[in-house]
Amino acid sequence: SYVLTQPPSVSVAPGKTARITCGGNNIGSKSVHWYQQKPGQAPVLVIYYDSDRPSGIPERFSGSNSGNTATLTISRVEAGDEADYYCQVWDSSSDHVIFGGGTKVTVL
Amino acid sequence: QVLLQESGPGLVKPSDTLSLTCAVSGYSISDSNWWGWIRQPPGKGLEWIGNIYYSGSTYYNPSLKSRVTMSVDTSKNQFSLKLTSVTAVDTAVYYCARIWTGGNWFDPWGQGTLVTVSS
Repeated sequence: SYVLTQPPSVSVAPGKTARITCGGNNIGSKSVHWYQQKPGQAPVLVIYYDSDRPSGIPERFSGSNSGNTATLTISRVEAGDEADYYCQVWDSSSDHVIFGGGTKVTVL
Repeated sequence: QVLLQESGPGLVKPSDTLSLTCAVSGYSISDSNWWGWIRQPPGKGLEWIGNIYYSGSTYYNPSLKSRVTMSVDTSKNQFSLKLTSVTAVDTAVYYCARIWTGGNWFDPWGQGTLVTVSS
């Protein structure tokens, strides 16, 4: 079955750029979606179709996807960006949803 | 504005059946969308349970398929999840969500409901 691999944690100083990777076999051929989850809250969609932002999501959040790696980039990181981030794809070969294991972003 | 709200027992005994309902407001469940269930054990990541179309077509996580049944009630604008023969490992926050056709992403999500499996 298809597997998405994320680093368990990423630390970043305020004002700097955080990059969260999501690795998968030829993931560039799939559409990748990203969710932000703050403690005690439901996940919120921050990026869909690799790089599109839903209404209300700051431009500081961007995404890219190529080859075997998709990346969520958070520019000018703020304290409020501290959260868990999950990538997700639809595996059309099996008709299953796949989530990455999640990355905890800590703002130093 | 689309809102989803999960409801059901917060405590289920081992070997019993977990039953949850997701009420949808602000959107007709029949308007050609898929709907999904996702769960999250305490302190762990997200696990996809399954998707259901308004007509009743389903996709289930193969690891749960033998125990999962999803259904839709268009008259009540809600969909449901049943998970049989539960054990402690099924203890989790259960979320329902709308799925955007084509890209298959989840948005929005319900607030989630904690289900604890314990005697």
